[in-house]
Amino acid sequence: QVQLVQSGAEVKKPGASVKVSCKASGYTFISYGISWVRQAPGQGLEWMGWISAYNGNTNYAQKFQGRVTMTTETSTSTAYMEMTSLTSDDTAVYFCARANSGSSNFDSWGQGTLVTVSS
Amino acid sequence: QSVLTQPPSASGTPGQRVTISCSGSSSNIGSNYVYWYQQLPGTAPKLLMYRSNQRPSGVPDRFSGSKSGTSASLAISGLRSEDEADYYCAAWDDSLSGPVFGGGTKLTVL
Repeated sequence: QVQLVQSGAEVKKPGASVKVSCKASGYTFISYGISWVRQAPGQGLEWMGWISAYNGNTNYAQKFQGRVTMTTETSTSTAYMEMTSLTSDDTAVYFCARANSGSSNFDSWGQGTLVTVSS
Repeated sequence: QSVLTQPPSASGTPGQRVTISCSGSSSNIGSNYVYWYQQLPGTAPKLLMYRSNQRPSGVPDRFSGSKSGTSASLAISGLRSEDEADYYCAAWDDSLSGPVFGGGTKLTVL
């Protein structure tokens, strides 16, 4: 069965960076991409970007370009999302989800990682 | 402000049929498939409907989806208490070159 397991909760100070991991199992990692979606407290879902696990190609939402970097490590079937210059507005649960390029079909999701930005 | 528009709330009694709407534009719903996600309290979203009207394995046939023009809807018949959740629609947006979500609809089973 497809499973995406994310790293644990993080507490960061404003201006810091955070790196969240998403370890995939149960399928051929390089056959799909990984999207990252975040959800601020009490708010809806917001797509951040996508990375191909096959060749590392990325597609970032304009809002996050320059501040978010998505990478993958095929040897461990793990995807990473790093965000810099954190502010309190970045406090949210961050989800990874399996997805192909050009698709809104997120067929498997990680459990989510809470990132809290507070001084 | 979400690109796709959903009503913030919906409700029904057990056994009833409820419908949740999702309105977009020609660059998203009008030219691409719609996907629906169910998010139970405190959990990750789960794919509920793909390609506008297809149910993944394991999703009861009480759930159905449809799309017409730049709008889509999710119908739930035979409403059950365990259907109480947030529901989100999503579609690829050709102008933004990425997926967009609706703001979500909180379904309450009375």
